[in-house]
Amino acid sequence: DAGITQSPRHKVTETGTPVTLRCHQTENHRYMYWYRQDPGHGLRLIHYSYGVKDTDKGEVSDGYSVSRSKTEDFLLTLESATSSQTSVYFCAITTGMNTEAFFGQGTRLTVV
Amino acid sequence: DAKTTQPTSMDCAEGRAANLPCNHSTISGNEYVYWYRQIHSQGPQYIIHGLKNNETNEMASLIITEDRKSSTLILPHATLRDTAVYYCIVRANYGQNFVFGPGTRLSVLP
Repeated sequence: DAGITQSPRHKVTETGTPVTLRCHQTENHRYMYWYRQDPGHGLRLIHYSYGVKDTDKGEVSDGYSVSRSKTEDFLLTLESATSSQTSVYFCAITTGMNTEAFFGQGTRLTVV
Repeated sequence: DAKTTQPTSMDCAEGRAANLPCNHSTISGNEYVYWYRQIHSQGPQYIIHGLKNNETNEMASLIITEDRKSSTLILPHATLRDTAVYYCIVRANYGQNFVFGPGTRLSVLP
């Protein structure tokens, strides 16, 4: 699992509430990513980070924000959760620019 | 958008080699070919990657054509646990996002 831990693994929340998902790595890698996976869409990039306090948007960033205050943690926040954000969220890390990515086990989020 | 084309699904008999094709006709000179798989609802698992030479590791072999417009992932002796969705991805070597297409759903049959 390349030292990646996602928390929580499962969460049910109500529409309009804030939600924060955490990705923690133990390998001190520079690049971290948040993806969501939905039926019929595959994995889509939400945000990524290329270092502490350095983040950028992916293709489906609306409604999400991220923070990376230290190398090992990359937080994904839904400021006001909506039902369309019901999904499985995966965190990934890469060890370098031209290397493979390792993925966490995912967080299943349900917004009711 | 994904830069690769893969068959939607394939079947393979247990114990036989599984050969999964991928077309990437617009691949650039600095783009690598990566293969991942996803078993049920687990996180994607890295299998192998290469630039232009064939590669082999303990999981699989990757055969890339000389013009680099297509590749084949080979699982030499497929088992039931290899049943998964397999993704072929092209990615440049400067920290770009991995773009996942729909992949190939491989079913290994007893």
